[in-house]
Amino acid sequence: EVQLVESGGALVQPGGSLTLSCAASGLSVSSNYMSWVRQAQGKGLEWVSILYSSGTTYYADSVKGRFTISRDNSKNTLFLQMNRLRTEDTAVYYCARDAGGVGYYDDWGQGTLVTVSS
Amino acid sequence: IVVTQSPDSLAVSLGERATVNCKSSQSLLYSSNNKNYLAWYQQKPGQPPKLLIYWASTRESGVPDRFSGSGSGTDFTLTISSLQAEDVAVYYCQQYYSSYTFGQGTKLEIK
Repeated sequence: EVQLVESGGALVQPGGSLTLSCAASGLSVSSNYMSWVRQAQGKGLEWVSILYSSGTTYYADSVKGRFTISRDNSKNTLFLQMNRLRTEDTAVYYCARDAGGVGYYDDWGQGTLVTVSS
Repeated sequence: IVVTQSPDSLAVSLGERATVNCKSSQSLLYSSNNKNYLAWYQQKPGQPPKLLIYWASTRESGVPDRFSGSGSGTDFTLTISSLQAEDVAVYYCQQYYSSYTFGQGTKLEIK
C-alpha cells in the first residue's frame, strides 16, 4: 500500500523560508515522477512543481525562482524548499505521485498546512 | 491551458444523474496516440483529491461504475449515473497535455 506523509508545515512570516517533507512508503520516490500540489483554504487545486525520476524539475510560474523541489533517495523522501514566502503561498501542500509519469495523480498525501502571515 | 468547469455547484436528488462539464482553452487530444490528456478527481472535505478518471474516460481501479467520463478535444463530461449520498464532494478536472492545470471545481450536493 502506498503512503505519502507530508510534514513541515508551519506559520511563517512573509519573506521567510520553510522546507516541506513527504515521506513515502510503498513506492520509490526516485523511480517515480513526484509533484507538489497546493490548495488555499476554500479554493481549488494548483500544481506547484514536479521532479522526474531523471532529476528534471519544473515549476509553476508563481513559485519559479523561490521554490526548489528535491529528494533524498536514501530516505525515500521528497522535499519542497520554499524561500521568499508570500501571503499568497498560504495553502495546504500535498505531495502526489504522477501515475506512470504521464501527468495524472493516483496517490496523494494528506497534506501539510503552510500559513504565511505577519 | 485554462480549463473551466460548469456549473460551479450542482444539487441533484439521490438516484438521479449528475453531470459536470469541463472545457479546455485548447485541444487535449494528442494526435500521435489518440488520447485525451484529461483526468477527473473527487475531493471530500478534509481529504486529499482522489483520482476517478484518466485519459478522459478510463475509470481508475476501484471506482464505482456509476462514474463515467466522456468527451474529446476541448469538451469533457463527468457523469454520475445514479447519485449516492457518499458522492457529495467537489469534483475537479485536470489537464496534463501541457504542464498541469486544474479546473476551479464543481461542488455537488444532494437536493
